[in-house]
Amino acid sequence: DGGITQSPKYLFRKEGQNVTLSCEQNLNHDAMYWYRQDPGQGLRLIYYSQIVNDFQKGDIAEGYSVSREKKESFPLTVTSAQKNPTAFYLCASSDRGRGGTDTQYFGPGTRLTVL
Amino acid sequence: KQEVTQIPAALSVPEGENLVLNCSFTDSAIYNLQWFRQDPGKGLTSLLLIQSSQREQTSGRLNASLDKSSGRSTLYIAASQPGDSATYLCAVNSGGYQKVTFGTGTKLQVIP
Repeated sequence: DGGITQSPKYLFRKEGQNVTLSCEQNLNHDAMYWYRQDPGQGLRLIYYSQIVNDFQKGDIAEGYSVSREKKESFPLTVTSAQKNPTAFYLCASSDRGRGGTDTQYFGPGTRLTVL
Repeated sequence: KQEVTQIPAALSVPEGENLVLNCSFTDSAIYNLQWFRQDPGKGLTSLLLIQSSQREQTSGRLNASLDKSSGRSTLYIAASQPGDSATYLCAVNSGGYQKVTFGTGTKLQVIP
C-alpha cells in the first residue's frame, strides 16, 4: 500500500528545543518537499529535495534544517532559531515530471505546538 | 511573482446542487495546475492535475478546466454530497520544484 507517512501526528516543543519531524514515502519518488500551513495562508515551501543527498531552501527555510540520506526519507528539524514554529507541517513527494514536478502526494501532517 | 487567489473563501450549498469553485493566477506561464481536497486536520488529497496544454480534466463528478490566457481555473462538482464538505485548494506550478504556489482554499459545506 503505497503512500507517505509522517510522525508524530502531534508534537509539543518547549522553548529552546530542537525537534525532528519524520517523513517516509514508499512511492519511489525522487522529489520530496516540506511545507508549512498556517490559518488563512497558502502552503509555504520550507525545503525541497530533487534527489538523494541534495536539497534546496524554499521560501521560508530560516530556522529549519533537513537531510536526504535515503530516497524514502526526508526528516525536518525545527531548531530553536525558528521564532514562530507553531503550525501544521506537511510533507509531499512527486516524480520528476516535465517542469520539474508532477502530481504531488501529501502525507497526513504533523501539528507542532510550542509550549 | 505568481499569486493565486481563490474566491470565495467559504461556500455553503444544499445537497444535490452543482457548484463551481474558482482559482485565479497572475502569471499565465505555467506548467500545470493541481486541485486538492483537505479535510480538517488532515493532509492534502490530489483530485485533478491539468497540464498547461490541456483545457480540462474529469474524474467522476469532478471536472476541472484551465484557461491560461485569462489566468483562471474552475473546479466543477456535480450533484454535491455532504461527503464533499472540505477545503479545496488549487496549486499552480510555474516551473520547477520551488515554484508551486498554493491558494488559500475555498471551504465548502454541503448541507443535507
